[in-house]
Amino acid sequence: QVQLQESGPGLVKPSGTLSLTCTVSGVSISGNKWWSWVRQPPGKGLEWIGEVFHTGSKYYNPSLKSRLTLSVDKSKNQFSLKLASVTAADTAMYYCARGSGLTDWGQGTLVTVSS
Amino acid sequence: DIQMTQSPSSLSASVGDRVTITCQASQDINKNLNWFQQKPGKAPKVLISDASNLETGVPSRFSGSGSGTEFTLAISSLQPEDIATYHCQHYDSLPYSFGQGTKLEIK
Repeated sequence: QVQLQESGPGLVKPSGTLSLTCTVSGVSISGNKWWSWVRQPPGKGLEWIGEVFHTGSKYYNPSLKSRLTLSVDKSKNQFSLKLASVTAADTAMYYCARGSGLTDWGQGTLVTVSS
Repeated sequence: DIQMTQSPSSLSASVGDRVTITCQASQDINKNLNWFQQKPGKAPKVLISDASNLETGVPSRFSGSGSGTEFTLAISSLQPEDIATYHCQHYDSLPYSFGQGTKLEIK
C-alpha cells in the first residue's frame, strides 16, 4: 500500500522560504513514476505546483518557476519542495502525490505565511 | 497553457437524482483528464482517469465521458456520501491544471 506523508513548518514568515518534505512508503521513489506537488489555498481550488522524477528531471508551474525548487532524496525515499520569497498568497494546504495522474495523495499540510 | 473551465461551480440535488458536471478544456486534450472527489478536510481522491476509466473501488454510479475539449462526470443516482467538491484536471501537456471545482450539496 502506497502512503505519502508531508512534513515541514506550518508557519513561515513573509519573504522566507517554505520547505516541505514528502516521505513515501510502500513503493520505491526510484520507480517509473513522477512525484508531484499540489496546493490549495483556503476555500479555493487546486493548483498544480510541479513534479520531479528520481533522476532529477523536473517540471515546474511557470507561475512559480522563479521561486520553486523540487528535489529527490532516493536514500530516504523522499522528495522535497522549496518555495522562496513567500507571501500571504502562498498560504495553502500543500499536498504531495504520486504520478502525473495523481493516483495517491498525502493527507496534506497547512502552511501559513504570516509574521 | 491549457485552461480548464468547470460548470456549475455549485450544485444542489436530491438523493436519487442524476447529476452531471462538465469540464471544458481551452484546447484539445484527447482523453487526458482526471476527475477527483474531495470531501471536507480530506485530500482529493481520483475517481476517473483517462476521461472514462473508473478507478478500482469507485462505485459504478460514477461515470465519465468525453474527449477533445468537452468532458462530463455523471452520478447516476446521488447518494448522501457523494457530498463533496469535484475537480477535473488535465495531464495532456505541461503545465497540468485543474478546473475551479464544483461543490455538490444535498437539497
